[in-house]
Amino acid sequence: AQKVTQAQTEISVVEKEDVTLDCVYETRDTTYYLFWYKQPPSGELVFLIRRNSFDEQNEISGRYSWNFQKSTSSFNFTITASQVVDSAVYFCALSEADYGNNRLAFGKGNQVVVIP
Amino acid sequence: DAGVTQSPTHLIKTRGQQVTLRCSPISGHKSVSWYQQVLGQGPQFIFQYYEKEERGRGNFPDRFSARQFPNYSSELNVNALLLGDSALYLCASSPAPGSSYNEQFFGPGTRLTVL
Repeated sequence: AQKVTQAQTEISVVEKEDVTLDCVYETRDTTYYLFWYKQPPSGELVFLIRRNSFDEQNEISGRYSWNFQKSTSSFNFTITASQVVDSAVYFCALSEADYGNNRLAFGKGNQVVVIP
Repeated sequence: DAGVTQSPTHLIKTRGQQVTLRCSPISGHKSVSWYQQVLGQGPQFIFQYYEKEERGRGNFPDRFSARQFPNYSSELNVNALLLGDSALYLCASSPAPGSSYNEQFFGPGTRLTVL
């Protein structure tokens, strides 16, 4: 069974500070995919980043970056120089390739509050 | 291009009633998934349909059912509503299942309140 754990519940930062969100996952599959989604107050889930289990290269995309470590089953996400518009709930999600579908297993989410 | 659309936006029902939620995927997408998001929690997978066939089912009771139409739109039905069914119901579309790399595009959701 797939499982995603996001330990922190609410994180408050002052604008322009960096914020890092932790994600730990469990899966028995060797092929899987990891995602980060953003959910603003409007409720719609917005895709941010995606990584597959064969690629541990960490990258930066604009103000977003991620640290994927298979050895510790972690997929952490960082927002650099936070802005008020970054205030939202952020979800880490896992999709296993062995299913006949692409169902996502989500963590409980991190509420990020950016204080101006 | 239009994104995933869902209707209605909000819905209020009483216990024991039945509800139908609707979803239209992105043009060209043939797969639709449904998720339930209870307040303060992450979304939970309910169903996935591809080419009108059920391709996956989450851990939900038989009161939950869904179907997909020839135009790839989908309906989620919930019978005998319970207070615990109050949640945001999200629909997501993707080009095809099986390739988990595919990003799922989510709609704005339907907020269901059961009184």
